[in-house]
Amino acid sequence: EAGVAQSPRYKIIEKRQSVAFWCNPISGHATLYWYQQILGQGPKLLIQFQNNGVVDDSQLPKDRFSAERLKGVDSTLKIQPAKLEDSAVYLCASSLVPTSGGDPDQETQYFGPGTRLLVL
Amino acid sequence: DQQVKQNSPSLSVQEGRISILNCDYTNSMFDYFLWYKKYPAEGPTFLISISSIKDKNEDGRFTVFLNKSAKHLSLHIVPSQPGDSAVYFCAASSQGAQKLVFGQGTRLTINP
Repeated sequence: EAGVAQSPRYKIIEKRQSVAFWCNPISGHATLYWYQQILGQGPKLLIQFQNNGVVDDSQLPKDRFSAERLKGVDSTLKIQPAKLEDSAVYLCASSLVPTSGGDPDQETQYFGPGTRLLVL
Repeated sequence: DQQVKQNSPSLSVQEGRISILNCDYTNSMFDYFLWYKKYPAEGPTFLISISSIKDKNEDGRFTVFLNKSAKHLSLHIVPSQPGDSAVYFCAASSQGAQKLVFGQGTRLTINP
């Protein structure tokens, strides 16, 4: 079974530029997550999708970050304009079971390799 | 406000001995806890989990213990192997295995 795919793996941009990251979840996974991991910290949830709808975007800095999952499969995360403090690894994860109820053991999140962003 | 804390940034253990990684949490609403393992340049990989209705869960060499009164959990690895060298993240949730709150991670090094 193919895992979560992310691209690009690395990106270097200058502040105020824009950047986009792409994620392809595991086939059949209804739920998709984007996390930001700053060096020395644990991953922080930015946004959660169920199919093509947003479940939780409470920690997404909406003035500069946007995300979409138009057909309920692939997703893109965009930053515009980027700031120095956006330098981090952006992780995508997916899980099988939709949001409402369910066995936690069936909701295990599987992570992609991440995109490492450096803003200069 | 850090709701999940891993106070040891690093831990070094000899091969074959027991590794004990610790995690503390502050939010009493958390009812599901997980450990993830991360190798360099890879995403975190699920290792083991425990529900708040249990105080222990075992999977091969890995055992997670939960002390609800102390708001503390620990991961025991016995015996430790060189391939266990990685960063370990503790995570917690009040919504099943969704909306995870992660700790800062502990880098485990297993010495031959």
